Amino acid sequence: ILNVEQSPQSLHVQEGDSTNFTCSFPSSNFYALHWYRWETAKSPEALFVMTLNGDEKKKGRISATLNTKEGYSYLYIKGSQPEDSATYLCAFRMDSSYKLIFGSGTRLLVRP
Amino acid sequence: DTEVTQTPKHLVMGMTNKKSLKCEQHMGHRAMYWYKQKAKKPPELMFVYSYEKLSINESVPSRFSPECPNSSLLNLHLHALQPEDSALYLCASSQGRGQFSNQPQHFGDGTRLSIL
Repeated sequence: ILNVEQSPQSLHVQEGDSTNFTCSFPSSNFYALHWYRWETAKSPEALFVMTLNGDEKKKGRISATLNTKEGYSYLYIKGSQPEDSATYLCAFRMDSSYKLIFGSGTRLLVRP
Repeated sequence: DTEVTQTPKHLVMGMTNKKSLKCEQHMGHRAMYWYKQKAKKPPELMFVYSYEKLSINESVPSRFSPECPNSSLLNLHLHALQPEDSALYLCASSQGRGQFSNQPQHFGDGTRLSIL
């Protein structure tokens, strides 16, 4: 059974703090790693699709890095805002099939 | 506004009922997905349709029956469900295979299903 682990499970920060969380995945048979943001009562929204070891992607104040050899990805949020409050999910893809294996998510709450 | 539309948003049904969940997208995507998500758990893949053909069935019980009438529509027919089937059912789509195979999935808002 393939395991995708995310840590921490939840995180409370003050507005303006920078924060980061981790996604761990099997380091063999890597194909792609996805990050999604899921706000309450909305649909999951794609942030990044990462495919190459050493990839770094950025979208506004959010960035992500990828290490396929050791099997982890970090998501960073610079200067957190209350609207960043959401659950951040990573999803691992091991081959060219369509199957994504999701982690349980990191729930971020940004206090004003 | 999400580009993947799911109906209904909420559904309550008895164990002997037959109902259907519907999903629609008009982005020209050729892969469509059903996921099941229980509280505080990650979404679990149920089915994938690729170019209107069933590509993946994750050993889902036969009381769930998917259907893809055309490239824009995906249905999930429900019959004789159990209380443990109560969950959020998410539909998603993506562009397809080949050069598009590493595009993200686009999700609907989900149908919250409760089995009495």
